[in-house]
Amino acid sequence: DVKVTQSSRYLVKRTGEKVFLECVQDMDHENMFWYRQDPGLGLRLIYFSYDVKMKEKGDIPEGYSVSREKKERFSLILESASTNQTSMYLCASRVGSAGGTDTQYFGPGTRLTVL
Amino acid sequence: QKEVEQNSGPLSVPEGAIASLNCTYSDRGSQSFFWYRQYSGKSPELIMFIYSNGDKEDGRFTAQLNKASQYVSLLIRDSQPSDSATYLCASHYGNNRLAFGKGNQVVVIP
Repeated sequence: DVKVTQSSRYLVKRTGEKVFLECVQDMDHENMFWYRQDPGLGLRLIYFSYDVKMKEKGDIPEGYSVSREKKERFSLILESASTNQTSMYLCASRVGSAGGTDTQYFGPGTRLTVL
Repeated sequence: QKEVEQNSGPLSVPEGAIASLNCTYSDRGSQSFFWYRQYSGKSPELIMFIYSNGDKEDGRFTAQLNKASQYVSLLIRDSQPSDSATYLCASHYGNNRLAFGKGNQVVVIP
């Protein structure tokens, strides 16, 4: 079974703090993703990575950065947290085949509240 | 931006009935499609994927794909209370991305 873990289930931070969200997968997947999920807006892609040290912006990268120094680990960084970044953050991973039939496997999510 | 639309509101079905969910997508180049189930407070989990026109069955679930009309549907037969969840439709497009719909909530009434 694919396992994707996230460092925290719940996190409360203050405006202006630097926030690190960690994601680890144990299936040697090439691709990893960070999404946020908000009521009425659905899942929105923030960043993804297709290889170590490689990253690509998603649909809403503003205010976020990412780091992938090892294949199994993908970090999302909020440089200066703001209240509008209060959300559920979901990490996902996927094997890197070209066919497109491989699914993304999601971690349990981190509910971040910025006060 | 690739769009996936799930327009219908919450769906209430009696236990044992068929639940039918629909999804349309904008990118004609999309080749594969996924249905995820998400329980409240949990992360999405894959139910099934489909990439060929027609039907694909897996247990009580049937996915249907019509590329000419650009829609995907999911049927849940013999609905159970444990099927009560939000169902997300997603389409795969270039660079390993998935475009997700906003989801449809299903409530199965015992």
